[in-house]
Amino acid sequence: AQTVTQSQPEMSVQEAETVTLSCTYDTSESDYYLFWYKQPPSRQMILVIRQEAYKQQNATENRFSVNFQKAAKSFSLKISDSQLGDAAMYFCAYRRPPGSSNTGKLIFGQGTTLQVKP
Amino acid sequence: DTGVSQDPRHKITKRGQNVTFRCDPISEHNRLYWYRQTLGQGPEFLTYFQNEAQLEKSRLLSDRFSAERPKGSFSTLEIQRTEQGDSAMYLCASSFRTGVSTDTQYFGPGTRLTVL
Repeated sequence: AQTVTQSQPEMSVQEAETVTLSCTYDTSESDYYLFWYKQPPSRQMILVIRQEAYKQQNATENRFSVNFQKAAKSFSLKISDSQLGDAAMYFCAYRRPPGSSNTGKLIFGQGTTLQVKP
Repeated sequence: DTGVSQDPRHKITKRGQNVTFRCDPISEHNRLYWYRQTLGQGPEFLTYFQNEAQLEKSRLLSDRFSAERPKGSFSTLEIQRTEQGDSAMYLCASSFRTGVSTDTQYFGPGTRLTVL
């Protein structure tokens, strides 16, 4: 069974600075998808960024980028130029690749609470 | 397109009572998921529908839990004889997938259940 681990329960960053959130996962599959989701306080979860395992290039979405190390099974999220609105709980998630027997359910880590200081 | 909606947003009930939650996915989304999230933890998968068919149920889903998605549109999650351990946020997500394309799951705001 696949597992996702986020070892940093809480992180803080100064506004305009850069912060990196860590995520490791365990799987025996060679093809899969990894995600970072953001859950602001009392608000719904939204997708931040996605990475396909077969792609060597790290995904980037504006100020958000990932460092995907497939051999190390590591998937960290870097937030550049942090803003107050980035304060939230961040979840790393794993998903098996599309296939007849794969439902697409997400397997989440425990989450990292990010505080942004003005 | 107003996103995934869930009703109610909050529910307080007494132990032993039955509760039902509703999820309205984004229109034309053929996949619907239910997750449960306890305080300070990541969501855990409960069950999944493709159209009206319930194709997977987690072992977390005891016999007291039942989910339906009639006509492949909205979905309901019922918990019978609630227990204090059922207190959690229940999240619904929907997505649209064709063939082998990778779909993105869009989450609703959740229903927070408190069992007294």
